[in-house]
Amino acid sequence: QQQVKQSPQSLIVQKGGIPIINCAYENTAFDYFPWYQQFPGKGPALLIAIRPDVSEKKEGRFTISFNKSAKQFSLHIMDSQPGDSATYFCAASIDYGGATNKLIFGTGTLLAVQP
Amino acid sequence: NAGVTQTPKFQVLKTGQSMTLQCAQDMNHEYMSWYRQDPGMGLRLIHYSVGAGITDQGEVPNGYNVSRSTTEDFPLRLLSAAPSQTSVYFCATTFGLNTEAFFGQGTRLTVV
Repeated sequence: QQQVKQSPQSLIVQKGGIPIINCAYENTAFDYFPWYQQFPGKGPALLIAIRPDVSEKKEGRFTISFNKSAKQFSLHIMDSQPGDSATYFCAASIDYGGATNKLIFGTGTLLAVQP
Repeated sequence: NAGVTQTPKFQVLKTGQSMTLQCAQDMNHEYMSWYRQDPGMGLRLIHYSVGAGITDQGEVPNGYNVSRSTTEDFPLRLLSAAPSQTSVYFCATTFGLNTEAFFGQGTRLTVV
């Protein structure tokens, strides 16, 4: 059972384009939604994260849009560059009262930004 | 300050063999986790630990054991390797709940 559904599986854009990656979740108890970026041969690294009390968060060229009622969130990359070519994972976690930090990941999106 | 260090980086096992994947962190984080990454399936949680002496199962624990005797180390043991355990394994650590997870470089395991 995939608790966090991510689409598309792969995405190709031209340099300067705005790729958008979407995620949907089912469990309304999720309260932390990070995005991770992974380059080939490396471990994932945190890109940006949002909590459900805000609808949008920007960090540089990266923006998360969050729709609590639709249980969806998305990543937008403004003015995309070839160096942004990577695999992107959305994730979600629940506050278990400090007992754990279990992240549930989406299936990933392979982004290629063509020069 | 190395962060999260995984060894080995690559390993080939024969079906039925056992081995231990090592994970060490120098960030003094209490939370540590093991994930496996498979094409089209994202990262799935195998086991996690909220501190020394405390471990629990994640989504896909079967065939794996863990222990946490120190804050720094969180080894993952494959008891009897199977081809279905061919994957890339990542160890991660976090400072606390709903904070950034720091991942190691991964161990690519092939079981033949």
